[in-house]
Amino acid sequence: DTAVSQTPKYLVTQMGNDKSIKCEQNLGHDTMYWYKQDSKKFLKIMFSYNNKELIINETVPNRFSPKSPDKAHLNLHINSLELGDSAVYFCASSQRTDYNSPLHFGNGTRLTVT
Amino acid sequence: AQSVAQPEDQVNVAEGNPLTVKCTYSVSGNPYLFWYVQYPNRGLQFLLKYITGDNLVKGSYGFEAEFNKSQTSFHLKKPSALVSDSALYFCAVRDPPPNDYKLSFGAGTTVTVRA
Repeated sequence: DTAVSQTPKYLVTQMGNDKSIKCEQNLGHDTMYWYKQDSKKFLKIMFSYNNKELIINETVPNRFSPKSPDKAHLNLHINSLELGDSAVYFCASSQRTDYNSPLHFGNGTRLTVT
Repeated sequence: AQSVAQPEDQVNVAEGNPLTVKCTYSVSGNPYLFWYVQYPNRGLQFLLKYITGDNLVKGSYGFEAEFNKSQTSFHLKKPSALVSDSALYFCAVRDPPPNDYKLSFGAGTTVTVRA
């Protein structure tokens, strides 16, 4: 049983296009995240939602818009894609009320912008 | 701001030898520290955490980590490395409230275990 699942696994698109990545978790967690891993493997948080409310919004271009229709889903829409958006995007979830709980990660979406 | 540093980009060891992956932290207040492992083309998997209590924390796959407050370190260790331990390892720290949603990662250390 996949705990945190992302689709698609790979996404190849051209500059200027708009694309979405979907994430779903079946762990019953109340908090979900988007992280970006660049070509040097560095991980940086982009957004965090708690009970569908945006909690963390790091310095991310406003071309990136997260949407959380319910606690189990967090999608990421990217407008006007640029070459620099090429990266691996990871969704994660955790239970906010259990401060000790680790994050559970999906397997990532590798985005390539050409 | 909370942060962790992993001073080594790469660690190479022979199978059967001890493995150590270094991490130092900078936090205000009590540290909440984690180790994750990333295998190729996979997401991060949780290995272990330090919140409070014993300085030696045991985790998954035979890994353990030692919390050292005086040296502000949280090194990951395994007594006898396996080839299958070859992966990318991340140390992470959780921010204190109200930003405790945020888990900040080190730059990662690539571990290669040779047969």
